[in-house]
Amino acid sequence: AQSVTQLDSQVPVFEEAPVELRCNYSSSVSVYLFWYVQYPNQGLQLLLKYLSGSTLVKGINGFEAEFNKSQTSFHLRKPSVHISDTAEYFCAVRTHNAGNMLTFGGGTRLMVKP
Amino acid sequence: NAGVMQNPRHLVRRRGQEARLRCSPMKGHSHVYWYRQLPEEGLKFMVYLQKENIIDESGMPKERFSAEFPKEGPSILRIQQVVRGDSAAYFCASSRLTSDSYNEQFFGPGTRLTVL
Repeated sequence: AQSVTQLDSQVPVFEEAPVELRCNYSSSVSVYLFWYVQYPNQGLQLLLKYLSGSTLVKGINGFEAEFNKSQTSFHLRKPSVHISDTAEYFCAVRTHNAGNMLTFGGGTRLMVKP
Repeated sequence: NAGVMQNPRHLVRRRGQEARLRCSPMKGHSHVYWYRQLPEEGLKFMVYLQKENIIDESGMPKERFSAEFPKEGPSILRIQQVVRGDSAAYFCASSRLTSDSYNEQFFGPGTRLTVL
């Protein structure tokens, strides 16, 4: 079985500062990796995904993430955050082999302050 | 192109009542997934359905919960005799059927169930 750990439950940061949201996973088989964003009282929106190929993945809203197989990590980064980036961010994995279910981390609340 | 639709968006039930949550997948999507988000937690997979078939229900509680995706109409997640611990946001996602191993899931806005 796979699992996802998001080490930080909350990340406060000032506007225009860089941010990194950490995600580590464990799985005995190859995985697909995802980051989703959830704005208050809304559903999840896909930010970016890693399926194969280049380990640096660029997504929407200026976010990017890097897949590190040796460290089993998929950290999310943005060089300069905006107030509008305030939201909950979820890392998720899906194994290549069985089923389509996503396994989510507990989420990281990004709080951008002016 | 309408996205995944869920209704109601908010549902209040008293203990012991039944809750019915509906999900209409995106046009052209034949797979539906239900996830539950308890307060201050991430989403947990519940069940994966195709039309008229349950493919994976490994995340469904053994009692009181059931799901269906009929040939016509929306997918329904049914919770019988609700208890306060059922209070959560329930999200539906849908995906296409493709020959690839990857099928992107698109999420609905969720139904927030409150049990009094």
